[in-house]
Amino acid sequence: NAGVTQTPKFQVLKTGQSMTLQCAQDMNHNSMYWYRQDPGMGLRLIYYSASEGTTDKGEVPNGYNVSRLNKREFSLRLESAAPSQTSVYFCASSEWEGSYEQYFGPGTRLTVT
Amino acid sequence: GENVEQHPSTLSVQEGDSAVIKCTYSDSASNYFPWYKQELGKGPQLIIDIRSNVGEKKDQRIAVTLNKTAKHFSLHITETQPEDSAVYFCAANGVEDGGYNKLIFGAGTRLAVHP
Repeated sequence: NAGVTQTPKFQVLKTGQSMTLQCAQDMNHNSMYWYRQDPGMGLRLIYYSASEGTTDKGEVPNGYNVSRLNKREFSLRLESAAPSQTSVYFCASSEWEGSYEQYFGPGTRLTVT
Repeated sequence: GENVEQHPSTLSVQEGDSAVIKCTYSDSASNYFPWYKQELGKGPQLIIDIRSNVGEKKDQRIAVTLNKTAKHFSLHITETQPEDSAVYFCAANGVEDGGYNKLIFGAGTRLAVHP
């Protein structure tokens, strides 16, 4: 039981490049989330998926898109990376949207130059 | 909008001492308050949580207290050990306008326990 896994662990992009961050969970959870973590700002929600087939914007969605590929997988895409998107990205999952207990992956450290 | 404030931002203690981290929240409808521990290079891990129907919850050396009237809650770590060194985040639940249940996180406290 691996919990929540994320790939890659590290990535460096040039401004304007695109990439997709992958996330998978093996806990049979219905809800999944993408957060970004910046120094002194805690965790901010980018997008979430309450259940398979649904996605919605969180607090800071601009510049990102998501896909809930199936119940296990939730990907985050940066279409045209900007230096302001330099951050650590965490994927999380919970049993369902209202259960609140979220389980986090190990994170992806992204640098955009 | 909803806000969670966390203090202090850094905390340094000697091994064996106690550590206390405090959070305040703005949404009086919040009823779930988790604490997460993030070790270097890892994702946040849920260590304890409390719901609004209780005032205190303990799990070995860690405890959380909740004061709903004052809208604040605290994490208490007793007999601290070097392995307690990490960043700790508090959070409170809230409901978006569209009905989505979310967690609002504090900015984090970096705890250093010195041998």
